[in-house]
Amino acid sequence: EAQVTQNPRYLITVTGKKLTVTCSQNMNHEYMSWYRQDPGLGLRQIYYSMNVEVTDKGDVPEGYKVSRKEKRNFPLILESPSPNQTSLYFCASSSDHSNQPQHFGDGTRLSIL
Amino acid sequence: GQNIDQPTEMTATEGAIVQINCTYQTSGFNGLFWYQQHAGEAPTFLSYNVLDGLEEKGRFSSFLSRSKGYSYLLLKELQMKDSASYLCAVRGWGGFQKLVFGTGTRLLVSP
Repeated sequence: EAQVTQNPRYLITVTGKKLTVTCSQNMNHEYMSWYRQDPGLGLRQIYYSMNVEVTDKGDVPEGYKVSRKEKRNFPLILESPSPNQTSLYFCASSSDHSNQPQHFGDGTRLSIL
Repeated sequence: GQNIDQPTEMTATEGAIVQINCTYQTSGFNGLFWYQQHAGEAPTFLSYNVLDGLEEKGRFSSFLSRSKGYSYLLLKELQMKDSASYLCAVRGWGGFQKLVFGTGTRLLVSP
């Protein structure tokens, strides 16, 4: 089954404790993105990747890092999480054709205390 | 800059037709997507428009006017399961897969 898998689905942690949210897709997609979704603000792009070893900042990259060492994986790293990073996070992937939609993972709800 | 506007909330009755509007101002235009998102779930793709006109897909249709920076999603024969948020997303320039999302329209369908 074609899917985007995120882990963990839920996490409560404390300020300053490094964490990684993993994202993996099995559709051989070139493009992958990370979004955060906050009430009243909609989905905002954090980082995206156009292929292996090619990443770029989205609209809200501060406090986040990503890597794309393999085509299928695109982890999101919070080196020193802060409470303002409490949010619902989605990973998405798509092929390189312009009319193809992004496929979203089920989301990761992060709470930073 | 980039700006996408949608109504915050709409209500409708089961069996009715509802139109959800989206206006956008972006630096360049390279396609518009509509997604459906049920509470607590991932967005799922509904439609894509890149040329002016209407795209029909079963009970859902989407319209685009590039000159007016305007799109709408039309939902016919509404069902209770259509209660969800509907997200308009525009692909501008600045990254092939860079999508800018509106804040979404929450649709409540009542019996």
